[in-house]
Amino acid sequence: NAGVTQTPKFRILKIGQSMTLQCTQDMNHNYMYWYRQDPGMGLKLIYYSVGAGITDKGEVPNGYNVSRSTTEDFPLRLELAAPSQTSVYFCASSYDEGRGYTFGSGTRLTVV
Amino acid sequence: AQTVTQSQPEMSVQEAETVTLSCTYDTSESDYYLFWYKQPPSRQMILVIRQEAYKQQNATENRFSVNFQKAAKSFSLKISDSQLGDAAMYFCAYRGPYGGSQGNLIFGKGTKLSVKP
Repeated sequence: NAGVTQTPKFRILKIGQSMTLQCTQDMNHNYMYWYRQDPGMGLKLIYYSVGAGITDKGEVPNGYNVSRSTTEDFPLRLELAAPSQTSVYFCASSYDEGRGYTFGSGTRLTVV
Repeated sequence: AQTVTQSQPEMSVQEAETVTLSCTYDTSESDYYLFWYKQPPSRQMILVIRQEAYKQQNATENRFSVNFQKAAKSFSLKISDSQLGDAAMYFCAYRGPYGGSQGNLIFGKGTKLSVKP
């Protein structure tokens, strides 16, 4: 019963490097999300998806890209990493609008 | 746009006592969902309690209960018989009634709860 699995848990990037944060869920949820959490700022939505092949921007999408080729996977791509992208990233999924999200354990990313 | 406000950045409670965390929100919708999430030092986000706006009865989950005041747009969390394991960041969140962007969770900035032995 894995739920939402995020990898890696920690990562240090140099400015200008790229990486992909992986997210997989095994609950057959249609809805998936990427949030970033900065100290004292709560969680802000980066991108979301309502089903395979459908993605849309959230509140803070600049510098990120996503794809949703399957129901299970929702990777987040960082291109040309910048110090402002230093944050904790959470992937989450949901069955429908009325229920809460199931979160992954987060990825702490530092850009130096 | 909907907003969620948690006016208490930090709170402290004595073990076995009761504490109430405040949350207010702004929306023009009549049907929506409200949540409280707990984030302990492990960083994991854990759903504590959920309230559907069309239900007048306040939700309860063991030692956790809410005071939902729809007209005042207030959604406070009461923790009874506080335990050391309750120490965490608590986030209030709002979710609209529809799919697409309206169905995304909007979070407050959080309240850090400390529990004193």
